[in-house]
Amino acid sequence: QQPVQSPQAVILREGEDAVINCSSSKALYSVHWYRQKHGEAPVFLMILLKGGEQKGHEKISASFNEKKQQSSLYLTASQLSYSGTYFCGTGPRGNDYKLSFGAGTTVTVRA
Amino acid sequence: DGGITQSPKYLFRKEGQNVTLSCEQNLNHDAMYWYRQDPGQGLRLIYYSQIVNDFQKGDIAEGYSVSREKKESFPLTVTSAQKNPTAFYLCASSQGVGNQPQHFGDGTRLSIL
Repeated sequence: QQPVQSPQAVILREGEDAVINCSSSKALYSVHWYRQKHGEAPVFLMILLKGGEQKGHEKISASFNEKKQQSSLYLTASQLSYSGTYFCGTGPRGNDYKLSFGAGTTVTVRA
Repeated sequence: DGGITQSPKYLFRKEGQNVTLSCEQNLNHDAMYWYRQDPGQGLRLIYYSQIVNDFQKGDIAEGYSVSREKKESFPLTVTSAQKNPTAFYLCASSQGVGNQPQHFGDGTRLSIL
């Protein structure tokens, strides 16, 4: 089942912060985050594999709350290059390669 | 430089026609995937393959077919049974077992003539 992302879209000024949430109705064992710029391929940002794990990619970080079946992506001190659509992908346990992706959150960072 | 190559970038299909989208990777990845992307719907999995000569249906496999005869190649055929094929198609690959990053190609945009 597809995870639910919120908000659908967010507009920021450079230097502002934002949070994107990814929730699942099923138990979560892993969460992937990707960013896609318009007309381009999605690019991998990070994977969180354990409940409570937090990771970072430059000033973009993420947390994984296994109990709440939710992951959050934090954009800190946003830059123009952060603009794009962010997707979370949720994975089951073990060797199954199949991810279910959310509908995406479009982030627009303005000068 | 390693990566995934999708071709063509743009493709037009006539009514009743089958078309094949190419996906080649030189990353030596075991797993390959095909996704369909429609506006506002994110990425939906069509088919995936964990090893050569084996593949599984994803969430929206009807009207599509694939083959995996070589590790580096995973072509997708959009058949005439797919009544609404207009979309952006993305191929991806990943290495190893379990949760690994997926690397995406630049996509093929398919339209109906």
